[in-house]
Amino acid sequence: SQTIHQWPATLVQPVGSPLSLECTVEGTSNPNLYWYRQAAGRGLQLLFYSVGIGQISSEVPQNLSASRPQDRQFILSSKKLLLSDSGFYLCAWSLGMWGQGRSDTQYFGPGTRLTVL
Amino acid sequence: AQSVTQLDSHVSVSEGTPVLLRCNYSSSYSPSLFWYVQHPNKGLQLLLKYTSAATLVKGINGFEAEFKKSETSFHLTKPSAHMSDAAEYFCVVIVSGSNTGKLIFGQGTTLQVKP
Repeated sequence: SQTIHQWPATLVQPVGSPLSLECTVEGTSNPNLYWYRQAAGRGLQLLFYSVGIGQISSEVPQNLSASRPQDRQFILSSKKLLLSDSGFYLCAWSLGMWGQGRSDTQYFGPGTRLTVL
Repeated sequence: AQSVTQLDSHVSVSEGTPVLLRCNYSSSYSPSLFWYVQHPNKGLQLLLKYTSAATLVKGINGFEAEFKKSETSFHLTKPSAHMSDAAEYFCVVIVSGSNTGKLIFGQGTTLQVKP
């Protein structure tokens, strides 16, 4: 069966510090990978998605970046954090593309709670 | 363009009574629709999914949802609420024409279950 991991679970960082959040998926190959942010009291916002190694698409202009160095690894980074970067970050994976029935379902990791002070 | 509207930001029910969480969607295509649940400080768990097969979809934990094209609705129901159902619920539509399965989330409905 497939599992998705995120770490760290919680993180408190000062403004201006760098960030690295990691997401890994086990039990599948060539997944689509996604980073979402959930601000307090709001729905989820898609930040980045990737359909393969080294392929990153950005949805929202910001000071965050994403990388996919390996097939099942997805990293969210920042060189200098802002207060507005605080939130709950969720990684997700899916097998296929839209219109392919069950394979387009996204499965979410446990999330990382980021607080920027 | 696709969109999702969850009509209630907060729903409160008593344990053992029915649950109704309302969702309307907008889509130019036959949509794929989902309901996810999120417990505090946890990731999202898939409850159920509509994929243009049966219009009444059964999910986990006794939840079900009915796709009504004429009303552009996909409301989530459960006959009898349990305390463990207290959580945030998201109605989600997949972006049509996308080859990546991008999702559009509703703003969420907080379900409170009173003893």
